Amino acid sequence: KNQVEQSPQSLIILEGKNCTLQCNYTVSPFSNLRWYKQDTGRGPVSLTIMTFSENTKSNGRYTATLDADTKQSSLHITASQLSDSASYICVVNAGNMLTFGGGTRLMVKP
Amino acid sequence: EAGVTQSPTHLIKTRGQQATLRCSPISGHTSVYWYQQALGLGLQFLLWYDEGEERNRGNFPPRFSGRQFPNYSSELNVNALELEDSALYLCASSLEKVRRWGEQYFGPGTRLTVT
Repeated sequence: KNQVEQSPQSLIILEGKNCTLQCNYTVSPFSNLRWYKQDTGRGPVSLTIMTFSENTKSNGRYTATLDADTKQSSLHITASQLSDSASYICVVNAGNMLTFGGGTRLMVKP
Repeated sequence: EAGVTQSPTHLIKTRGQQATLRCSPISGHTSVYWYQQALGLGLQFLLWYDEGEERNRGNFPPRFSGRQFPNYSSELNVNALELEDSALYLCASSLEKVRRWGEQYFGPGTRLTVT
């Protein structure tokens, strides 16, 4: 069964600090992996997309890593800002269907 | 370019009633997807329409149904509403040629509350 597990479920950090969110998946066949940011009550917005051959991809203060061997991905947020408070969702594409993780709810406090 | 739009923004219904949610995809996108996101839970796939036909549906009862119109807009209908149907319903669209790439663009959602 295709599954995407994210940890932690929630996280509180102080503004300016860094944090790392984790994503483990058991999706097959693997096509690509995306990280989405979802503000409360809004639709998800894509941050990064990674294919099998990519290890690291950055988008501003967001850096995603992928280890296809261990089927793990991480999203690192540098110098967090209040606007980073949101849910971050890991989504794995099996070529025909998307499998969504439960998300990590991040709260950045001043 | 306008993004995916959904209406209404909020919808309040009572148990047993029917709800109709609407979605307009990005211009040129032929695929529309519906997802349910209950409070505190991840997105659950509901339905996928492409070129006017239902291509796949998630593990939801038949009272969740929908359709796609010739202009590729879509409607999600939920019959015999139950309290647990309260959720954010998200619509996403994609181009057929990049569909397998997983490129989906999400709308802002419709918040359905069943009382």
